[in-house]
Amino acid sequence: SQQGEEDPQALSIQEGENATMNCSYKTSINNLQWYRQNSGRGLVHLILIRSNEREKHSGRLRVTLDTSKKSSSLLITASRAADTASYFCATDATGGYNKLIFGAGTRLAVHP
Amino acid sequence: DTEVTQTPKHLVMGMTNKKSLKCEQHMGHRAMYWYKQKAKKPPELMFVYSYEKLSINESVPSRFSPECPNSSLLNLHLHALQPEDSALYLCASAGGFQETQYFGPGTRLLVL
Repeated sequence: SQQGEEDPQALSIQEGENATMNCSYKTSINNLQWYRQNSGRGLVHLILIRSNEREKHSGRLRVTLDTSKKSSSLLITASRAADTASYFCATDATGGYNKLIFGAGTRLAVHP
Repeated sequence: DTEVTQTPKHLVMGMTNKKSLKCEQHMGHRAMYWYKQKAKKPPELMFVYSYEKLSINESVPSRFSPECPNSSLLNLHLHALQPEDSALYLCASAGGFQETQYFGPGTRLLVL
């Protein structure tokens, strides 16, 4: 069962533009993780943000977390064609065994 | 080294076959996971192992049988699968609960 929703489902932008993806969830969480997946292969971990954190950065990535709204966003700045992939948020609900529940994902296409 | 390896990369099997998927990590992680991912869908958790013991079984049919022979290895034994079991099977490991999960590249399974 999915924890929440991601929007948009698909996003098409030009190289150099910024891409923003949003994730909403339903239950209290320990942390929220963002992953990238290229062409149905393995997932690459991008960022983990804990429930007591509000913002994290990693290179061109910026993740925010608003636990009062049960939502998170992933911003990719100055996008490149190589950023074309599916992006998933995954929540680790409290009281669990690091049981990640994934959102539906956003398919990002970056055009040269 | 944050590598999780999975073999084989691809597997085609008939409904009467018995096969096994293998996952290996050498990061000293004590939590290991199996996920199933259908096309254009997010990964769904199947099993969680903690310290080589099965912690979570997400009501997975018995034709899927996990095994954790030691702290570095995780197997998924397959028997009498159905065509609807065709999917990408992903293995992941984590250093502990509430920590980042690192995914392998997956095994793409086709059941004929």
